Amino acid sequence: DAGITQSPRHKVTETGTPVTLRCHQTENHRYMYWYRQDPGHGLRLIHYSYGVKDTDKGEVSDGYSVSRSKTEDFLLTLESATSSQTSVYFCAISARGRGDEKLFFGSGTQLSVL
Amino acid sequence: GQQLNQSPQSMFIQEGEDVSMNCTSSSIFNTWLWYKQEPGEGPVLLIALYKAGELTSNGRLTAQFGITRKDSFLNISASIPSDVGIYFCAGPQGGSEKLVFGKGTKLTVNP
Repeated sequence: DAGITQSPRHKVTETGTPVTLRCHQTENHRYMYWYRQDPGHGLRLIHYSYGVKDTDKGEVSDGYSVSRSKTEDFLLTLESATSSQTSVYFCAISARGRGDEKLFFGSGTQLSVL
Repeated sequence: GQQLNQSPQSMFIQEGEDVSMNCTSSSIFNTWLWYKQEPGEGPVLLIALYKAGELTSNGRLTAQFGITRKDSFLNISASIPSDVGIYFCAGPQGGSEKLVFGKGTKLTVNP
């Protein structure tokens, strides 16, 4: 199994509070991704990183920010959580960032915004 | 952006039955990927297809890259309870390296 750890695994928070989710990898892969999974929508890309301090937006980036200060860590922040951000969040990594390349996923973070 | 349409959305089958699901798009894809997600876990890659017409097997799983390059099929033979999960097709969006995922087919296998 790829060494990807997401924390926390579960979180309940209130509307308007900031939330940070962490993804930690031990594979030294250059590319890291944050997806959200919702019923009826599948997996949608929020943000991704192609190196330390290099990030870009995905399909559903509004309301989210990311940071990558070290190769192994990719943080996803909800500045002011809303109920629409209740979801399961997955981190993924890949070595070369190619679209036909295998992604390795973490086990996910279940976030509930009340 | 490009969309991938998976069908069926869900399947309820008996152990031992064969399963077939598909993924279609209005756009051409150069790669088709099939992932499986078990309950409480992230998706795991099952099969990757890189050429139109390609047929690839992984144990009881067989996937095909459609000739038109706009569809792909995944078949599971002689299903067992551990086949339970959500199966996603995915492919790189045209002109980018970002993956787009289908909405998934949820498989339930009754012992």
